[in-house]
Amino acid sequence: GENVEQHPSTLSVQEGDSAVIKCTYSDSASNYFPWYKQELGKRPQLIIDIRSNVGEKKDQRIAVTLNKTAKHFSLHITETQPEDSAVYFCAASNDMRFGAGTRLTVKP
Amino acid sequence: EAQVTQNPRYLITVTGKKLTVTCSQNMNHEYMSWYRQDPGLGLRQIYYSMNVEVTDKGDVPEGYKVSRKEKRNFPLILESPSPNQTSLYFCASSLQRVHTEAFFGQGTRLTVV
Repeated sequence: GENVEQHPSTLSVQEGDSAVIKCTYSDSASNYFPWYKQELGKRPQLIIDIRSNVGEKKDQRIAVTLNKTAKHFSLHITETQPEDSAVYFCAASNDMRFGAGTRLTVKP
Repeated sequence: EAQVTQNPRYLITVTGKKLTVTCSQNMNHEYMSWYRQDPGLGLRQIYYSMNVEVTDKGDVPEGYKVSRKEKRNFPLILESPSPNQTSLYFCASSLQRVHTEAFFGQGTRLTVV
């Protein structure tokens, strides 16, 4: 099955700074890469996804980039706000296995 | 409202006492799965089901059973719970196994003493 590795496991930034979380995957056949956000005490929810026919996708302050050659994709959050504090999970398409998660803390 | 519903939300039980966590979705999704979430280990898949009467093991299936007799329901069964099964459990469903958004239930926090 797919092996997804996610880094870093924790990330602390000042409000207004950017945050980047990176995932690598093993199965070159994977072609769907979602990112989920889990706020404290809540369920994970999809925030953005990308398919392999595009290299980048943006939605306001969040973006995802994909490098199929290197088999990695990244979540970029610009102008971070305290409400961005959460655990973020990546996944690669073929069997819905998730990375281990990144706990992002945005300090006011 | 489209949703995945898990019950109970919280459960404290004793070692060896059989329990079932229910999961139901109203979106006519084919694919359903169970995960456990432990600190530092992320979401680990326990079992999944690609359709009615089709289930398969995920990464951590030991000590768990599932069934999929109807499309909407996917219960998780612990025949003889042990303290190492203390965890936060999530059920999820998606239209298909691949390439589609997963919708998660609210989670069930299980404590086995």
